[in-house]
Amino acid sequence: DTGVSQNPRHKITKRGQNVTFRCDPISEHNRLYWYRQTLGQGPEFLTYFQNEAQLEKSRLLSDRFSAERPKGSFSTLEIQRTEQGDSAMYLCASSWGQGDEQYFGPGTRLTVT
Amino acid sequence: GQQVMQIPQYQHVQEGEDFTTYCNSSTTLSNIQWYKQRPGGHPVFLIQLVKSGEVKKQKRLTFQFGEAKKNSSLHITATQTTDVGTYFCAGVWSSNTGKLIFGQGTTLQVKP
Repeated sequence: DTGVSQNPRHKITKRGQNVTFRCDPISEHNRLYWYRQTLGQGPEFLTYFQNEAQLEKSRLLSDRFSAERPKGSFSTLEIQRTEQGDSAMYLCASSWGQGDEQYFGPGTRLTVT
Repeated sequence: GQQVMQIPQYQHVQEGEDFTTYCNSSTTLSNIQWYKQRPGGHPVFLIQLVKSGEVKKQKRLTFQFGEAKKNSSLHITATQTTDVGTYFCAGVWSSNTGKLIFGQGTTLQVKP
């Protein structure tokens, strides 16, 4: 399978718990992006990596959110002390180079109760 | 700021009718990309426009980039039920980052 994969596909958690999502990009892509999408809205940029370096993080992103891409391959997005407002679809995308088309994964749907 | 406005939010058409969605930025873009998201699915890349005044066609879809590189449109001729979904434009201001700023999307419903 050469597409972007994300795990888990669904996550239900209680408010205050920590959650971690994983993204496996297309193997030859060196850029990896995280977005968040709520119902009826377009995806909202969270952060991006070039290889293992995190080069930009949205100013809207709370410090409860952290992302890593330790070996320049897969990436993880962790949310600490989840809040109900964190409920959303978390999308990962990868691309070959800067400005190129991005390939999106199926997303992880987070529900915070 | 980096913001893209997209209209209309919803469009219901009869199969065979045309459809257009518009995208506007207050500042000049490096390039603009269009994505389609089917219900329950994820965004899928359609096209990228880079040059001022660029027009690209994909079968029944026509994409335009304005002369000032601040606006764009997607026109579908003779819609089909397979065109159903939400169409997003996404602006890129810096080709260094490739970060996409998405519009709110236009959801297209097609009545057979």
